[in-house]
Amino acid sequence: AQSVTQLDSQVPVFEEAPVELRCNYSSSVSVYLFWYVQYPNQGLQLLLKYLSGSTLVKGINGFEAEFNKSQTSFHLRKPSVHISDTAEYFCAVSETGGFKTIFGAGTRLFVKA
Amino acid sequence: NAGVTQTPKFRVLKTGQSMTLLCAQDMNHEYMYWYRQDPGMGLRLIHYSVGEGTTAKGEVPDGYNVSRLKKQNFLLGLESAAPSQTSVYFCASRTFSEQFFGPGTRLTVL
Repeated sequence: AQSVTQLDSQVPVFEEAPVELRCNYSSSVSVYLFWYVQYPNQGLQLLLKYLSGSTLVKGINGFEAEFNKSQTSFHLRKPSVHISDTAEYFCAVSETGGFKTIFGAGTRLFVKA
Repeated sequence: NAGVTQTPKFRVLKTGQSMTLLCAQDMNHEYMYWYRQDPGMGLRLIHYSVGEGTTAKGEVPDGYNVSRLKKQNFLLGLESAAPSQTSVYFCASRTFSEQFFGPGTRLTVL
């Protein structure tokens, strides 16, 4: 069975500062990894995904994440955040070829002016 | 392309009442899911379906039932609502590598 741990429940950061949202996972089989973003009162939308290949994955809105198999991590980064990045971010994992996706508890990113 | 839609957007129920949440997708996806979202707990899988006429239990199925009579629709039923079912419910459909979420249904059970 897989599990996902998001290490920070809330991350406050000033506008134009860099940010890293941390995600660790556990699984006994190969996995796909995802980051989703949820803006207030909306559903989740995909930011980026790792399926295979390059361990550095680029997504929408300037976000990127690095898959580290030895540390079982998939941390999300952005070099310079905007007020509009204020949202909740979810890390997720699914077994390759499996039906289910397991979500972390979420990290609330709050960007201050 | 409407994507994934959910009906209704909001609902208030009294304990013991029943209701059905409707999810529809127009992307011809085989896989569909119902999740609930509660503060600090992320999304938890209630039930899912891998194709028309098939359903399976997820992580928190108790108190819920589902049906997938048509490929594009996935219904979530609460037969006798309880305050513990107060939550935001999300439906999703999936390709092999990405889930597409509806806007959610905010349900309050008094």
